Amino acid sequence: RKEVEQDPGPFNVPEGATVAFNCTYSNSASQSFFWYRQDCRKEPKLLMSVYSSGNEDGRFTAQLNRASQYISLLIRDSKLSDSATYLCVVRGGTSGTYKYIFGTGTRLKVLA
Amino acid sequence: DTGVSQNPRHKITKRGQNVTFRCDPISEHNRLYWYRQTLGQGPEFLTYFQNEAQLEKSRLLSDRFSAERPKGSFSTLEIQRTEQGDSAMYLCASSPTGRDEKLFFGSGTQLSVL
Repeated sequence: RKEVEQDPGPFNVPEGATVAFNCTYSNSASQSFFWYRQDCRKEPKLLMSVYSSGNEDGRFTAQLNRASQYISLLIRDSKLSDSATYLCVVRGGTSGTYKYIFGTGTRLKVLA
Repeated sequence: DTGVSQNPRHKITKRGQNVTFRCDPISEHNRLYWYRQTLGQGPEFLTYFQNEAQLEKSRLLSDRFSAERPKGSFSTLEIQRTEQGDSAMYLCASSPTGRDEKLFFGSGTQLSVL
């Protein structure tokens, strides 16, 4: 079983739609959680950290469910510029480690 | 430019040759990471350093791969006796210690082994 699992997609959605991505992780001792965005042929860039209480940044909302080992990202009012691959990232799993594990990514295409 | 810098951007080599990549992290960042990424996959962890100490190395990493960070600043990743399966994007990232632990990536080195 992969340490971090995501549906690779692609998710094709019209502009203005709401879309949600899910991610599961296998190690219950994982410490920190993130969503990164990666555009084609570019490096990953941090989209947002994910906190236990859930957090929001504009049109983006991230949720963490530690009991189910599940992370989600919700994008409201999708824009063409949101088209990218969204990477779920988990840190830790062994006390003191700063190793970050990436999922395979979920591809999003927002259609005009 | 205060971002993570990687050189070269592209490297084409013949099978069996050795290659070396360099990464200059953000200057105040203590941790430095190497990842490998192939098309359609997420970045795969290779190794990371805290200052000059190599703290973890992927079990998937063969003994043909070695990384160093001799003075706790820049790092090099060497691949010996390259194979076609080594063709990938090699990404370097750095992060500060403390609460702000986010990874910041360089633009990567695209390796093609012919």
